[in-house]
Amino acid sequence: GESVGLHLPTLSVQEGDNSIINCAYSNSASDYFIWYKQESGKGPQFIIDIRSNMDKRQGQRVTVLLNKTVKHLSLQIAATQPGDSAVYFCAENTGGFKTIFGAGTRLFVKA
Amino acid sequence: EAQVTQNPRYLITVTGKKLTVTCSQNMNHEYMSWYRQDPGLGLRQIYYSMNVEVTDKGDVPEGYKVSRKEKRNFPLILESPSPNQTSLYFCASSLSSARGRSPLHFGNGTRLTVT
Repeated sequence: GESVGLHLPTLSVQEGDNSIINCAYSNSASDYFIWYKQESGKGPQFIIDIRSNMDKRQGQRVTVLLNKTVKHLSLQIAATQPGDSAVYFCAENTGGFKTIFGAGTRLFVKA
Repeated sequence: EAQVTQNPRYLITVTGKKLTVTCSQNMNHEYMSWYRQDPGLGLRQIYYSMNVEVTDKGDVPEGYKVSRKEKRNFPLILESPSPNQTSLYFCASSLSSARGRSPLHFGNGTRLTVT
């Protein structure tokens, strides 16, 4: 598969456990945040987004939390499955045409 | 199926030989963009387009050209490729360019090697 990052932060979890992936964003003016999942050999895939007027949003097995005070974003994955193994990117948008991507976190799920 | 399609998936070429990477989306998206992904540097924007005939530079536009003659297509052109353009390239699109408020849909990437 494609190598998307040789020295990414790594999170290893047991199958069935919950995963929490953290991200610090850079721009206090950012008001739209997105999490993407990238599997080997594929492009990033949208998971969930949140606007700055919210602090929590839930999807299917995923929850995004936003703390604007400390410019922190997290992605929680419930009951992590082997298919969740991937690189996860947070991204921020300030309202222009530019999306700024984080460096990514590699999630390993142990069976 | 809604998708962004890039071609080719893999390309090996030599320095100076012009090439084009095609990108097409079938979702009627206004906004399209090209990124390159390099280890340790993440995803960096090359060029983007807000609509037909409207394009602008991203963070790393040097050595690249784009065109947007039709809404669905956004080819990336390397007029004279150099080894430092060896990278993994992604095309992406989104529904609206208005204040960037919708997520990007990515293609599966083009691995380019320039020798």
